[in-house]
Amino acid sequence: SQQGEEDPQALSIQEGENATMNCSYKTSINNLQWYRQNSGRGLVHLILIRSNEREKHSGRLRVTLDTSKKSSSLLITASRAADTASYFCALELGGNKLVFGAGTILRVKS
Amino acid sequence: NAGVMQNPRHLVRRRGQEARLRCSPMKGHSHVYWYRQLPEEGLKFMVYLQKENIIDESGMPKERFSAEFPKEGPSILRIQQVVRGDSAAYFCASSPPDRVMKLFFGSGTQLSVL
Repeated sequence: SQQGEEDPQALSIQEGENATMNCSYKTSINNLQWYRQNSGRGLVHLILIRSNEREKHSGRLRVTLDTSKKSSSLLITASRAADTASYFCALELGGNKLVFGAGTILRVKS
Repeated sequence: NAGVMQNPRHLVRRRGQEARLRCSPMKGHSHVYWYRQLPEEGLKFMVYLQKENIIDESGMPKERFSAEFPKEGPSILRIQQVVRGDSAAYFCASSPPDRVMKLFFGSGTQLSVL
């Protein structure tokens, strides 16, 4: 399968805690991206990490990429209730194709 | 700068009818992607188009489905003779004509087939 697999499928935490989501894949990729989707809405791009990068930060988001293990993680620090959403990793394959995983449902309780 | 616009937001069709979903990409974007999402699942790639060209339609069913992105006007995803299994959310995304593949998504069209 070319798509990434997110883990866990669902995550429930208290406001202020950190949330970590993982993505594993089997194919070769150009880049890896993370997107967020609020219920009933389109996806919003969060962060892109290139295949030659190991870590990237954006605000409260931290993304790592280990190409030898074919895995990536998304860390959201100091979570807020507004972070409640589904989070998807997307694999950028050749030919301008972006393939999405099934997502992690994050619930942040206030 | 308006985002990606999809219409209609909700579409109800009876089995056997045709469904037409429209997508206007962001200004300056020449790449359009269509994805389908079933409840509580990820997005499944359907087709990638540039103006007047289908670049990759490997995710689109061979029958009943077609897509176009004409020189003028929105991209259209057309589903002929819809069946209940076509019920899903259909999302369009666009990206600018450079090497960075960052997608901007519309709010989707929820297709319900009765």
